[in-house]
Amino acid sequence: SQQGEEDPQALSIQEGENATMNCSYKTSINNLQWYRQNSGRGLVHLILIRSNEREKHSGRLRVTLDTSKKSSSLLITASRAADTASYFCATVTNTGNQFYFGTGTSLTVIP
Amino acid sequence: DTEVTQTPKHLVMGMTNKKSLKCEQHMGHRAMYWYKQKAKKPPELMFVYSYEKLSINESVPSRFSPECPNSSLLNLHLHALQPEDSALYLCASRRLGRGSQDTQYFGPGTRLTVL
Repeated sequence: SQQGEEDPQALSIQEGENATMNCSYKTSINNLQWYRQNSGRGLVHLILIRSNEREKHSGRLRVTLDTSKKSSSLLITASRAADTASYFCATVTNTGNQFYFGTGTSLTVIP
Repeated sequence: DTEVTQTPKHLVMGMTNKKSLKCEQHMGHRAMYWYKQKAKKPPELMFVYSYEKLSINESVPSRFSPECPNSSLLNLHLHALQPEDSALYLCASRRLGRGSQDTQYFGPGTRLTVL
């Protein structure tokens, strides 16, 4: 399986705190993306980092990528209750067409 | 219009039924995807269409039959399913070509229950 692993599986924090989730993957990639899914709904794209990039920011999101360790992390700063959702990393193959999702982190932000 | 629509939202079917799931987008995306997602699990890639041609089949059983009649539509035909096929079926699309973004746009999914 080309599925990545994420940790932690579940994370519960207070509003205003930062949340960090990690993704490890197995194969070489073109890019890595993070998606968010509210319960039982479709996924929403958050941020993309290419294999030649090490860090990227978008609003309250910061993502890092270490291709030598085949790992990535997503940091959400100043969390809000509305950030409660499942977060998935997705690795994209060099052909660009296949997306493989990690096991996911369930984030709960307590108001 | 940045929306991917899926119908129906919910579907209950028996193991002998034949049904179809439908996905539509009008963003001009030329790659379309079907994923299967079980509860508390990540989406699993099933099929990829590029320029209306099937480019990837992730060893999906033949009781699932995809179809891409045109660049805006993607169907998934279901026949003789098993209870373990009950899941959320997600459709996604992506632009192809020079300068394209690599991100996928997802529909809300069809919740399928096989009795």
